[in-house]
Amino acid sequence: DTAVSQTPKYLVTQMGNDKSIKCEQNLGHDTMYWYKQDSKKFLKIMFSYNNKELIINETVPNRFSPKSPDKAHLNLHINSLELGDSAVYFCASNNPSANTEAFFGQGTRLTVV
Amino acid sequence: GDSVTQMEGPVTLSEEAFLTINCTYTATGYPSLFWYVQYPGEGLQLLLKATKADDKGSNKGFEATYRKETTSFHLEKGSVQVSDSAVYFCALSGNYGGSQGNLIFGKGTKLSVKP
Repeated sequence: DTAVSQTPKYLVTQMGNDKSIKCEQNLGHDTMYWYKQDSKKFLKIMFSYNNKELIINETVPNRFSPKSPDKAHLNLHINSLELGDSAVYFCASNNPSANTEAFFGQGTRLTVV
Repeated sequence: GDSVTQMEGPVTLSEEAFLTINCTYTATGYPSLFWYVQYPGEGLQLLLKATKADDKGSNKGFEATYRKETTSFHLEKGSVQVSDSAVYFCALSGNYGGSQGNLIFGKGTKLSVKP
């Protein structure tokens, strides 16, 4: 009965690889987000999707590409991974039209070696 | 642009001590304000929120009041427990229509409570 679930929880990979992180929400929300938390715990929004449409795209390298096959899923694909991509990535969702707060997933700790 | 400033940590308190974590914000318009908590090894959980000036959010003994005149949303608890040890984030709803999912976070304050 997990509300927002991410997989994998941990991901260790080498520089230059391509990897994906998956996110699914079963709350019926129509907007999903990706946030990045760096090593100093600072959280910043990366992307927002509403009903499969990109709404927010903050200053993020174009190696990062979100993909939303349907409104319950928002995956994050990262090409040519770099050491600086090491972080915890959080998925979140809410219903802006109903003014609901955001629910966050447990996070994916990505380590690039 | 919009921003959130919260007190630097870490904060170390003894059990049953009084807690205050300061948070001030800069925003155009009238954002909603939030406190999120991150327990060790876990994701973010909403602790409390306030959507307009003078609203008080409360949950689990924690309180914060939306003060427009001082642009503040300080978090308080009268008597902390060891189980309150976590990182606390102040946040506001950002641009793009002010959706409560589009959040601008402070840098977080780590709280450690000793028995």
